[in-house]
Amino acid sequence: DAKTTQPPSMDCAEGRAANLPCNHSTISGNEYVYWYRQIHSQGPQYIIHGLKNNETNEMASLIITEDRKSSTLILPHATLRDTAVYYCIAGGSYIPTFGRGTSLIVHP
Amino acid sequence: SAVISQKPSRDICQRGTSLTIQCQVDSQVTMMFWYRQQPGQSLTLIATANQGSEATYESGFVIDKFPISRPNLTFSTLTVSNMSPEDSSIYLCSVAKGDSYNEQFFGPGTRLTVL
Repeated sequence: DAKTTQPPSMDCAEGRAANLPCNHSTISGNEYVYWYRQIHSQGPQYIIHGLKNNETNEMASLIITEDRKSSTLILPHATLRDTAVYYCIAGGSYIPTFGRGTSLIVHP
Repeated sequence: SAVISQKPSRDICQRGTSLTIQCQVDSQVTMMFWYRQQPGQSLTLIATANQGSEATYESGFVIDKFPISRPNLTFSTLTVSNMSPEDSSIYLCSVAKGDSYNEQFFGPGTRLTVL
């Protein structure tokens, strides 16, 4: 899996968009970008994944730069329940290798 | 998606003893995985458990310490043997589903404390 770099922590106001960046400059052509999150005391939850194109689902949007060296996970209207650690993973395997992630705190 | 349950949800054990953790999935899946999450740390893969074959262990994990069973397509167990305080962690099972198995679904975890 390619190495990823994420800020250790971020905060966001409730109702605003949360934009979580991830750098994966060594990603290879066949490696996907995955995002998971882990709410305190729970197992990780799959959010979204993509290869080249931007992706959107009911939880979030994933914006991947044209050179694929970085991506941004967007939670369009963050709620308090979105407070969690968010993991960005770049890999070709379906077995994610988890780094330290970004601790997102959504405040009222 | 997949709904995964684990038993027990938490336990406190004495050093030198063993604990078996159960993982039950609500649908048949080929690939199941066991992870460990030590306090304040990220997740580390212990092994991959496919039905009908021996589990594949990651570097640093051995079968004698973490024996795994996978008797059918909806169930697996992980045993933590001869426990020491360093084994205090959250143990999670997960399954891979979706196109090309790109989505993993995790159980709620088993919180183990070894005294």
